[in-house]
Amino acid sequence: EVQLVESGGGLVQPGGSLRLSCAASGFTFSIYWMSWVRQAPGKGLEWVANINQVGSEKNYVDSVTGRFTISRDNAKNSLYLQMSSLRAEDTAVYYCGRHPNSAFDFGGQGTLVTVSS
Amino acid sequence: QSALTQPASVSGSPGQSITISCTGTSSDVGGWNFVSWYQHHPGTAPKLMVYEDSKRPSGVSDRFSGSKSGNTASLTISGLQAEDEADYYCCSFAGSGTYVFGTGTRVTVL
Repeated sequence: EVQLVESGGGLVQPGGSLRLSCAASGFTFSIYWMSWVRQAPGKGLEWVANINQVGSEKNYVDSVTGRFTISRDNAKNSLYLQMSSLRAEDTAVYYCGRHPNSAFDFGGQGTLVTVSS
Repeated sequence: QSALTQPASVSGSPGQSITISCTGTSSDVGGWNFVSWYQHHPGTAPKLMVYEDSKRPSGVSDRFSGSKSGNTASLTISGLQAEDEADYYCCSFAGSGTYVFGTGTRVTVL
């Protein structure tokens, strides 16, 4: 069973930074693309970023390009999202997802990031 | 990277069939065979229901089916059940390694 446990969320001031983590288990982490997807309060899902199996290809939604960095550590079966210059509109529940067949497998309840002064 | 367009809400009685549309452009929905659909109950992880336009992951009921025509994809739920009440999102590959989700549809079982 795919298990993905997100952590690292919390309250941060505008302009601040935060690093999210996603611990993966139940599958061979190193052979999958991985993604971050978020849901702002009362809003729909939004794809944020993805990364290939070895970390050599990364893609981002325009609104976070230059501010967020996705990375992974295959030895630790972990995915990360380094977020900087945070804005109020980045407030959301962040989910990590496995990325087979150009779709997403989600396995956790997400981690809440709140950007507020 | 504009969100795909879905109806805000769709409702039906138990046993009926409903269809949710998802309209994009030739750069996303119409350009690739990579539309997926997700069922989302608030507070839980979204669940993959359909991938590559019309394929069902193992374990997903065959009451859920996906199709596509041009720039519009559709998810049909047949034999509607109370447990199907949830938010549903489409998602499409949009080129250059990026993805775009739909605006979401709240399904209500009357």
